[in-house]
This record gives sequence, structure tokens and C-alpha cells, in this order.
Amino acid sequence: GAVVSQHPSRVICKSGTSVKIECRSLDFQATTMFWYRQFPKKSLMLMATSNEGSKATYEQGVEKDKFLINHASLTLSTLTVTSAHPEDSSFYICSAWTPKGNEQFFGPGTRLTVL
Amino acid sequence: QKEVEQNSGPLSVPEGAIASLNCTYSDRGSQSFFWYRQYSGKSPELIMSIYSNGDKEDGRFTAQLNKASQYVSLLIRDSQPSDSATYLCAVNIRGNNRLAFGKGNQVVVIP
Repeated sequence: GAVVSQHPSRVICKSGTSVKIECRSLDFQATTMFWYRQFPKKSLMLMATSNEGSKATYEQGVEKDKFLINHASLTLSTLTVTSAHPEDSSFYICSAWTPKGNEQFFGPGTRLTVL
Repeated sequence: QKEVEQNSGPLSVPEGAIASLNCTYSDRGSQSFFWYRQYSGKSPELIMSIYSNGDKEDGRFTAQLNKASQYVSLLIRDSQPSDSATYLCAVNIRGNNRLAFGKGNQVVVIP
């Protein structure tokens, strides 16, 4: 199946710093990628839809100024958590539709811990 | 009404038995349906996709779709301890580019 990678896999940072997470489609071009957040033992929560060459679409309740999304190329989307606080500690996962548009694959996720 | 519902609690099955998971969805016009497996601490992994009414088999997994009843299920035959995970039902909502997920069902296979 299609491969989606994320970097870093794990990050620990101090409160107030910004953290950038990269999501790459390795063997296909993805005009649309998705960013999810998952707290322990909770469901996936869609944060935003990342569109190549245009602004991201954020879900209700997600602060667009806090979670900056950039989809500058057909294989790369980035999520920047600005001025991170302990409550932002979570598992962040990106995904993308395959070129046929009929299946969605997830990256391995990034575990963020804010001290 | 939630877009995708998985209402069963944790499911414990003995090794070798069949695990049965159910999912209902609200949008009658949905066309694409998926089952993902998520191990603790890992991201979801696509295990089955189904688009037409009926059964689709892949190894020990069988997905069943009934659009009239807005119901999709997953059967895991000959359950193995490695099948212990949370299984997420997902539906591609009509006219929308995103997937709607159920809350997931935890499966525990007891050796």
C-alpha cells in the first residue's frame, strides 16, 4: 500500500516552544492530507484538512493560529504547534488518500510531550 | 445521530474463535467503507475496504456491507493473540473528502 511517513516520531519540548511535524507521501502525490490528534484511549479527532497550494480547512474548535498547517508541495504537509503547552501533549497523526482516491493511509504518528 | 457508530464494548474472544464487530452509519449515500486496526501506541492500519453490498474476504478477515440497513461488519476468523487491538470503522461521507470514524472496538484474544 501507499506509504506515508512522519517526522519526528517522538518529540519532547518545553512549554512555550513551537514544534514542527512533517508528513510526507513517499511514493505518490497527495493534493490533500489530513491531520488528526488522539489522546490516550480516545478516538481519532480530525483537526484539519491540508490542501496543496491553498489554506488548510480546520475543524470546529481547532485554533488555526495555534496549529499552523503548510502544504507547500504534493508530497509534504507540515503541522506546527505554536507556543505549545502541556495540554497539547498528544499523538498527532497525518493521513492521505491514495492516488486512486479510494483508500486513506496513515503515517506512523508523532508523539508530542510538552513539559 | 453520529455519523458512524460502534457501540459494542471491549470484546474478549478465545484464540481460534471468530470475533465479530459491527458498525452503523447515518449517511445513506455513503459509498466507501473501511476497517482499520490500531495497536496501542501506534497509528491506524488499513485492513479492509469495501464498496459494494455483500461480503469481501481477505485472509482471515471478512467485511460485510448492507447499504439498505446502513450496516458494515468485520469478522475475524481463527482469532490470534496478535489480533488484539482496537478496530476502527470508517466511512467516506458522501460529498466530503474526509473519513468519519467510529469510536472503535477493543478486541482481546485470549490464548
